[in-house]
Formats: sequence, C-alpha cells, structure tokens
Amino acid sequence: DTGVSQNPRHKITKRGQNVTFRCDPISEHNRLYWYRQTLGQGPEFLTYFQNEAQLEKSRLLSDRFSAERPKGSFSTLEIQRTEQGDSAMYLCASSPTQNSPLHFGNGTRLTVT
Amino acid sequence: KQEVTQIPAALSVPEGENLVLNCSFTDSAIYNLQWFRQDPGKGLTSLLLIQSSQREQTSGRLNASLDKSSGRSTLYIAASQPGDSATYLCAVRPIQGAQKLVFGQGTRLTINP
Repeated sequence: DTGVSQNPRHKITKRGQNVTFRCDPISEHNRLYWYRQTLGQGPEFLTYFQNEAQLEKSRLLSDRFSAERPKGSFSTLEIQRTEQGDSAMYLCASSPTQNSPLHFGNGTRLTVT
Repeated sequence: KQEVTQIPAALSVPEGENLVLNCSFTDSAIYNLQWFRQDPGKGLTSLLLIQSSQREQTSGRLNASLDKSSGRSTLYIAASQPGDSATYLCAVRPIQGAQKLVFGQGTRLTINP
C-alpha cells in the first residue's frame, strides 16, 4: 500500500491559463473521489468515479472543470480558463468499497494570480 | 440538506490532558461517520470510521462515539501529546447522495508542552 499520490504538490498559474492535476489511487481501490478545500474549511465534494465511470458530479464543478479516469486507474482533473476563485487545495481520495474509510492524498495546492 | 458542525473551531490544552472534540450533524440518515486528522499543508489521514450500527470505535489513545439519533459524535483523545496538534475533521456519509462525504470545518487542536 503506497498510498494515494497526487502531482504536482503545488501549482501557480496566471488567470486564464489551463491546469491539469493527476491522482494515482491505491491500486486495488476502484472508487476515486476529488474534493476541494479552501483555507479554514472542510473539503467539499467535486466528483466520484467507480472504475472508469464518472458517476456523480457536484454543482461546484462548473463547465470549466473536467475529470477523467481512463482505464479505471489514475485520474486527472483539468481546470480551463482558471479564475482567482479556483485557488484552493485539490484533494484526491480512494476507497475499495462504499463503507470503507477514504484514503486521501496530500493534495495539489493551486494558486491563481 | 446534511450539515456538519464542529465546535470549538480551535482548542489549546496543556500536554497530558484528556480532551473531547465534538461533531454534530443535522440528518441522522447516514451510513457512517469518519474522523480525520490534517496536518498543515497536508492531506487528510483517516483516524476512525464508525458505521451507523455502531456506538463507538477505539484506536490506541483515540475513542470515537456515535449517537445517530441525536446527531452527535465525539472524539476522545487520552493523555494528549504535542504530536497530536493538528486539525481534526469529522465527516458523515449520508444515505442520500452516499458517494459524497459531508465535512465539518474542523477543530484546530494545539497541545502545549
């Protein structure tokens, strides 16, 4: 069990640019989640995959956000035309079943200038 | 809509004290409740998960209880140590919309040597 891995750890970008983050879940976990966390708040759900199927998306995920999980392994989260309000920590988590604990990665901190 | 509240937002205690962190939720229709620890700039580490049919879970110096009917959970930390300093978050998995955990804002705990 090598844990959930997220890259990059930090990303600074200018407003209007596109960014992409990667998440590698624990290998035997078929469920993968993306959350967003702003300073002083708890994480907020963005989207959920079971294997390669994206089964749920939050209303927080505007049209500028897209997530994929090809082949049901790693996942990517892309933000197009970034805005300052997108600045946050983006967290990925995985679990083997619905009732199992979620295992989180260390997140990608995005700063939009 | 499920809401999770953690009080207090911050807590500072001397080393060695036993302490209790509180979590309340508005809708008792949950699958489980999970407590996490988050160190500054890092992801979340799962501490304890309590299924809706359980009353408590223990791991080392940590004990979490769940009273689903009153919408409350507590995390008890025995013999606190400076290494316990972190933000503690609770999250519920609601029966409706079960793929998304709903988090509280967390309690920032400081243990003074």
